[in-house]
Order: sequence, then structure tokens, then C-alpha cells
Amino acid sequence: GAVVSQHPSRVICKSGTSVKIECRSLDFQATTMFWYRQFPKQSLMLMATSNEGSKATYEQGVEKDKFLINHASLTLSTLTVTSAHPEDSSFYICSALPGQRNTEAFFGQGTRLTVV
Amino acid sequence: SQQGEEDPQALSIQEGENATMNCSYKTSINNLQWYRQNSGRGLVHLILIRSNEREKHSGRLRVTLDTSKKSSSLLITASRAADTASYFCATASRGGADGLTFGKGTHLIIQP
Repeated sequence: GAVVSQHPSRVICKSGTSVKIECRSLDFQATTMFWYRQFPKQSLMLMATSNEGSKATYEQGVEKDKFLINHASLTLSTLTVTSAHPEDSSFYICSALPGQRNTEAFFGQGTRLTVV
Repeated sequence: SQQGEEDPQALSIQEGENATMNCSYKTSINNLQWYRQNSGRGLVHLILIRSNEREKHSGRLRVTLDTSKKSSSLLITASRAADTASYFCATASRGGADGLTFGKGTHLIIQP
């Protein structure tokens, strides 16, 4: 199956700093990528939809100025957590949708962010 | 928004037994997918069933979909200790263009 690579897998940062997470589709072009967040022992919640060459669409309650998304190419989307706080500590995971609809979405390995 | 609800939330069975997990959803869908997640790790895609399908098999997995009841079930037969994980259903509308809506998950423990 298709491969989506997410980097880094783990990151620890200090409060107030920014962290960038990369999501790459390695063997297919993804016009649409998605970013999810998962708190401990909870399910995944969609944060935003990232479309190549256009602004991301954020879900209700997700601050677009805090979670900056850039989808500059058909194989790369980045999520930057700006001015991170301890409450931003979570598991962030991306997925990419191949061009064909109604098919499997491919997920990255996830990034465990810890803000201290 | 969270629309899927799995039950049970937690399930503990003996190795070799069958495990059944259920998922209900609220809106119309194009497909429903089941994923497995080992503790603190990424998602493993198990199976996708489209809205015009009623049942699908993959190895020891059997998934059913009842769109009239807006529900799905995942059956794992002859369970193994390695099946211990959290299982999530996720629904897609508009072919997945709006992302997936995940259920709350079932934590499955297989006792050796």
C-alpha cells in the first residue's frame, strides 16, 4: 500500500517555542492531507484539512493561528504548533488521500509532542 | 465532530475466543473503515467497507455494515495475544474529502 511518512516521531520542546511536524506521501500525490490530534486514552479528532496550494480548512475550535498548516506541494504538508503550551502535548497524526475518492486514507506514524 | 460510538468500550477475552466490536454512526456515509492502534503508536488500517456493501472478510476479520441501522460490527475470530490493541471505526462522507470521523474506540485485551 501507499506510504505516508511523518517526522519527527517524538519531540519534546519548551513552553513558548514552536514545533514543526512534516507529513510526506512517498509514492503518490496527495492533493488533500488531514491532521488529527489524539489525547491520551481518547479517539482521534480531525483538526484541519490541508489542500495543496490553498489555505487549510480548520475544524471548529481549532485555532488556525496556533496550528499553522502549509501544503506547498503534492507530497508534503507541515503542521507548526506555535508558542506551544503544555496543554498542546498530544499525539498528532496526519493522513493523505490519494486522488481516487472513497478509498483508504493512508496515515503517518504519528508524532508524540510533549511540551515542558 | 465525533459521530461514531463503539461498544463495548473495553473487552477482555481469552486467547482463541472470538471478539466482536460494534460501531454506530449518525450521518450518511460513503464508507466505513476499521483501524487498529497499539498503545501510543500509529494506526493500522484493517478493512474498508463501502456503503453499498453488507459484509467483508479479510483473514480472521469479518466486517458487517447495516446502513439502515447506521451500524457496523468487527469480528475477530480465533483471537491471539497480538490482537491486543484499541480498535476504532471511522466513517467517511463525500468520498473522504472531509476527512474521517472516528469513534471512541474499543480497547481489546486478549488474555493468554
